[in-house]
Amino acid sequence: GEDVEQSLFLSVREGDSSVINCTYTDSSSTYLYWYKQEPGAGLQLLTYIFSNMDMKQDQRLTVLLNKKDKHLSLRIADTQTGDSAIYFCAEIRRGSYIPTFGRGTSLIVHP
Amino acid sequence: DVKVTQSSRYLVKRTGEKVFLECVQDMDHENMFWYRQDPGLGLRLIYFSYDVKMKEKGDIPEGYSVSREKKERFSLILESASTNQTSMYLCASSLDRGLETQYFGPGTRLLVL
Repeated sequence: GEDVEQSLFLSVREGDSSVINCTYTDSSSTYLYWYKQEPGAGLQLLTYIFSNMDMKQDQRLTVLLNKKDKHLSLRIADTQTGDSAIYFCAEIRRGSYIPTFGRGTSLIVHP
Repeated sequence: DVKVTQSSRYLVKRTGEKVFLECVQDMDHENMFWYRQDPGLGLRLIYFSYDVKMKEKGDIPEGYSVSREKKERFSLILESASTNQTSMYLCASSLDRGLETQYFGPGTRLLVL
């Protein structure tokens, strides 16, 4: 199976909260990341969390890490049309500098 | 702001051609990376470099080579392009080896006919 798994699509209404989920398989992961890719652009780092943290909040973004279940989520509060993009989850494992990316979740925000 | 630029946004080549994709960063970063991005597959690392004239294979190096003659420039080379190399190619650079400081270029969409 894949090392990092994400669902491919998520559709939400403008103003609602979005929750994008990610699961990973390697318990030695040290850093876990969320990247955003807008159409025609490269990836932009949104936020990251160390494996010894459970939660990180940054304005409208909340990252939750459940180490027991190896589950990472990104919650976007008050989702706007400008949040429509592909969101990638990525991990770095202990002793490695090579990142493993998920396939990306396409977030579609409709009025 | 860090700037990572790629020589072309769109490129069309024929099977068997030699293709050069250039990437330049302006922040004196040590590390540079080449990824390819395919629909539904996410990003896959092709090659990376931690110093001038140094290169290391990523997950999918077959069919590619790289060159890092100067610190700011990292080139991806397709010696003989094939249709299965049609993809979006993304370059990134970072100061540290941790992913949190990676900056990505806008990408080059390559079509091999």
